[in-house]
Amino acid sequence: NAGVTQTPKFRVLKTGQSMTLLCAQDMNHEYMYWYRQDPGMGLRLIHYSVGEGTTAKGEVPDGYNVSRLKKQNFLLGLESAAPSQTSVYFCASSYTLAGATLDPDLYNEQFFGPGTRLTVL
Amino acid sequence: LAKTTQPISMDSYEGQEVNITCSHNNIATNDYITWYQQFPSQGPRFIIQGYKTKVTNEVASLFIPADRKSSTLSLPRVSLSDTAVYYCLVAPEDSSYKLIFGSGTRLLVRP
Repeated sequence: NAGVTQTPKFRVLKTGQSMTLLCAQDMNHEYMYWYRQDPGMGLRLIHYSVGEGTTAKGEVPDGYNVSRLKKQNFLLGLESAAPSQTSVYFCASSYTLAGATLDPDLYNEQFFGPGTRLTVL
Repeated sequence: LAKTTQPISMDSYEGQEVNITCSHNNIATNDYITWYQQFPSQGPRFIIQGYKTKVTNEVASLFIPADRKSSTLSLPRVSLSDTAVYYCLVAPEDSSYKLIFGSGTRLLVRP
């Protein structure tokens, strides 16, 4: 049981290049998320998904696209990278009431991946 | 969504009890209060969640007064490994996609 994994761990891009970050979870979670965290700041939600085939915008969606073709995977794409997208990217997943747990102490528990450190030059 | 306010940083020493208070004046009736911990270069980790009164688990306790406008995370007998950033969040039941991470409280535990 690997939990939430992210690929790659590090990446350096030049301005204008594109790339895709992959997130995978093996907990059969319905909800998945992409966050970014800038130095000394909290996490900001980019996009999220409430189930296979669905995506929705979060707090800072501009410049990013996502896809959830399979329940266990959530992809984050940067079509034309900019220096302002230099950040650490975290993926997370969570249960829903209709999912694996009915424990009220776990309603808002998100499981995070190890992060991807992206630098755009 | 309810806004939370918590201290930017706190210092403590090994073996002491640490209490981090979070203010959430406009918390909604169906909001839960959740705390996360984040170590450097890692993703946040869920610590504890509660709705009212007191909740305790193997890691921490969460105290919530009757008006629910604030909450206090209590870490008993901290060690150096408790040095981390602690985030207080509020969100409705089963609405984890509505979690908003603020800047958190940086706790430094000294020997």
